[in-house]
Amino acid sequence: GQNIDQPTEMTATEGAIVQINCTYQTSGFNGLFWYQQHAGEAPTFLSYNVLDGLEEKGRFSSFLSRSKGYSYLLLKELQMKDSASYLCAVLDSNYQLIWGAGTKLIIKP
Amino acid sequence: IAGITQAPTSQILAAGRRMTLRCTQDMRHNAMYWYRQDLGLGLRLIHYSNTAGTTGKGEVPDGYSVSRANTDDFPLTLASAVPSQTSVYFCASSDVQHNSPLHFGNGTRLTVT
Repeated sequence: GQNIDQPTEMTATEGAIVQINCTYQTSGFNGLFWYQQHAGEAPTFLSYNVLDGLEEKGRFSSFLSRSKGYSYLLLKELQMKDSASYLCAVLDSNYQLIWGAGTKLIIKP
Repeated sequence: IAGITQAPTSQILAAGRRMTLRCTQDMRHNAMYWYRQDLGLGLRLIHYSNTAGTTGKGEVPDGYSVSRANTDDFPLTLASAVPSQTSVYFCASSDVQHNSPLHFGNGTRLTVT
């Protein structure tokens, strides 16, 4: 079966750095997405990786290793507004999106 | 403002009743999707449409139907609601390219009693 694993919840301190991991086992791979979802709101797109390596976008970076079936989202200089759930999703060989359950990130002052 | 509009925002529905969730987008995206989101689970695809006039079944289509008469509208109908359909429903759209990100509506919170 297809599976996406993410930690259920993480806690970090304002101003710090946090890394949210995502491992996947899917039928093929055509890219990996990260979305941010604030409580009670819609998911919003953060990043897309299809090649190995690190993609940096401001305070947020996303890393992919296809050989390891692994990605992480790195958030730097954490702000209170970064408190949200972070969703990992993989595009499989049929171009179907497989979603993880999301990681709830709690930022403490 | 460009985007996706869903209605209603929330609804309490008696079991056995029929309900249509509305979704409209103004971005001229070809592909549209309906997902449900339940606590502890990833988003699950109910139905999708790659272009006006065509629809397809997702991971959890039973008890739901959709139509795509035009590019902008993609309503989701529950013919006879059951309590297990209590969920948050998100409509989304994307460009035709498979690696295009999804744009989500604000969701409909549905409670079936």
